[in-house]
Amino acid sequence: NAGVTQTPKFQVLKTGQSMTLQCAQDMNHNSMYWYRQDPGMGLRLIYYSASEGTTDKGEVPNGYNVSRLNKREFSLRLESAAPSQTSVYFCASREAGDRETQYFGPGTRLLVL
Amino acid sequence: SQQGEEDPQALSIQEGENATMNCSYKTSINNLQWYRQNSGRGLVHLILIRSNEREKHSGRLRVTLDTSKKSSSLLITASRAADTASYFCATDGYDKIIFGKGTRLHILP
Repeated sequence: NAGVTQTPKFQVLKTGQSMTLQCAQDMNHNSMYWYRQDPGMGLRLIYYSASEGTTDKGEVPNGYNVSRLNKREFSLRLESAAPSQTSVYFCASREAGDRETQYFGPGTRLLVL
Repeated sequence: SQQGEEDPQALSIQEGENATMNCSYKTSINNLQWYRQNSGRGLVHLILIRSNEREKHSGRLRVTLDTSKKSSSLLITASRAADTASYFCATDGYDKIIFGKGTRLHILP
């Protein structure tokens, strides 16, 4: 049981390049989330998927797109990376319901030059 | 904007002392959760308190919730060096969880 996995662990991009961050969970959770964390800041919600087939915007969705590929996988895409998107990205999942905790992946460190 | 705001932003205490962190939030919640993050790592869930609960304990952790004041506190008793980390409160309003900016706790030897 690997929990929540993220790939890659680290990535360097040039401004304007695109990339997809991958996230997978093996806990059969319904809900999945993407956050970004900047220095001195908490986690800010980018997008979430309450269940397979649905996605919704969080606090800071601009510049990102997501795909809930199946129940296990939830990807985050940067179509045209900007330096302001330099951050650490965390994926999380949880069982549906508002009394369940989230389980986090180890994070992806992204540097946009 | 972020829902939860932790106070203080940073806290340094001697090993063995108790550490108290506070969290204030703005809107109605279903539950409130506290997480710990060690430097460079993902977040680890510590404790969840439901909106109809006022206090909860887990080992050396004690959490209180005052929904009338929209505030919560996390108390860590008998602190240890391993407690050095950032602590985040997160408010849960149905589908999504919103995090505060965190309190950085440093335990001095």
